[in-house]
Amino acid sequence: GESVGLHLPTLSVQEGDNSIINCAYSNSASDYFIWYKQESGKGPQFIIDIRSNMDKRQGQRVTVLLNKTVKHLSLQIAATQPGDSAVYFCAEAGGTSYGKLTFGQGTILTVHP
Amino acid sequence: EAGVVQSPRYKIIEKKQPVAFWCNPISGHNTLYWYRQNLGQGPELLIRYENEEAVDDSQLPKDRFSAERLKGVDSTLKIQPAELGDSAVYLCASSLVFGIKNIQYFGAGTRLSVL
Repeated sequence: GESVGLHLPTLSVQEGDNSIINCAYSNSASDYFIWYKQESGKGPQFIIDIRSNMDKRQGQRVTVLLNKTVKHLSLQIAATQPGDSAVYFCAEAGGTSYGKLTFGQGTILTVHP
Repeated sequence: EAGVVQSPRYKIIEKKQPVAFWCNPISGHNTLYWYRQNLGQGPELLIRYENEEAVDDSQLPKDRFSAERLKGVDSTLKIQPAELGDSAVYLCASSLVFGIKNIQYFGAGTRLSVL
């Protein structure tokens, strides 16, 4: 069936570096995407979203890039900090049900001081 | 503004026992979701409510799981009887759907351990 997946399950970076977390999706009908951050013992926290009519969106220290041609989504975190250490999930919605988010497996980001 | 509130945070029960989880969504959010998250995986939708109506319960194991959202605000999710495989984190989320935009805000979850 349709799914959202991640290329790399773990990512380790040094404090101050930029981080890039990737996500591949297979549902060509997806037209809305969200990145969530989940820290240990907490629920997923919204980071940034993007609609399919855009290919780039920026927030505070984060940028999401969408490449619909290859069905690829990425989250860039600038000047990564230890507090950014968490599991990052991409999620997609669209097609027949905008209310349903399909989550990928997640990428563990570890930031070393 | 208060976020999504869930209780209890942790629950340990023996198999075949019943268990219930409670969720209070963000004020004004008409849509409420229950997800199950297994270790190392993303959340998986169990049921979605729009106001009082369950509009998507296709992933809810109806032989043992039930949910309700009386008055379109708080919601409870129940498992009876619980099985070992039900051990997971149960997350509640709410959103105010505006066209295509649907940012779901999550509670901290209830970690269920079935022994």
